[in-house]
Amino acid sequence: DTGVSQDPRHKITKRGQNVTFRCDPISEHNRLYWYRQTLGQGPEFLTYFQNEAQLEKSRLLSDRFSAERPKGSFSTLEIQRTEQGDSAMYLCASSLVWGTQETQYFGPGTRLLVL
Amino acid sequence: GESVGLHLPTLSVQEGDNSIINCAYSNSASDYFIWYKQESGKGPQFIIDIRSNMDKRQGQRVTVLLNKTVKHLSLQIAATQPGDSAVYFCAETAMDSNYQLIWGAGTKLIIKP
Repeated sequence: DTGVSQDPRHKITKRGQNVTFRCDPISEHNRLYWYRQTLGQGPEFLTYFQNEAQLEKSRLLSDRFSAERPKGSFSTLEIQRTEQGDSAMYLCASSLVWGTQETQYFGPGTRLLVL
Repeated sequence: GESVGLHLPTLSVQEGDNSIINCAYSNSASDYFIWYKQESGKGPQFIIDIRSNMDKRQGQRVTVLLNKTVKHLSLQIAATQPGDSAVYFCAETAMDSNYQLIWGAGTKLIIKP
């Protein structure tokens, strides 16, 4: 257990529905990342926050995806009008930026299946 | 990171033997490297890291070697155990990429009894 938690662990939804995932990072960590991972691939970066500010979003992140970190602690990732191609593992990671070193610690992931 | 689709490179090792997993990285400006272990259905787990001013770092049963000349990173696992079965990813970061992780292709480690 890294100290990063995600909820739910599994989600099955029908195409067109909206889903929301939550991530609780390690409490003193100031950065929070969202990734998507499909079978056999490394994690793909989606977006990240420094405290409550969303600093970067990947080109992969379509308009249907939105992420928030309102108080600089937990974060939510919402996918609107889900598509079958959204089926993947959604990973959250947090880190404490210290000088020029940053180690990201990952949560267990939320596995999404869109039918 | 590199994409290998569903066909991950695989390394099969006899239980008790040493394992060596290799990774080539792309950015000569990368200055921090991390190995992650990912078991089926779980998130990546930090194993060991190394900074670019070092060429070797040891942990418990694991050693990371860095060769900056050829941009190569390796992870050595001593006395491999069944619990070491997982996919192993290397990742690099650099100041010029705002320290975002760039992932290498994973290697699936299979332990033979």
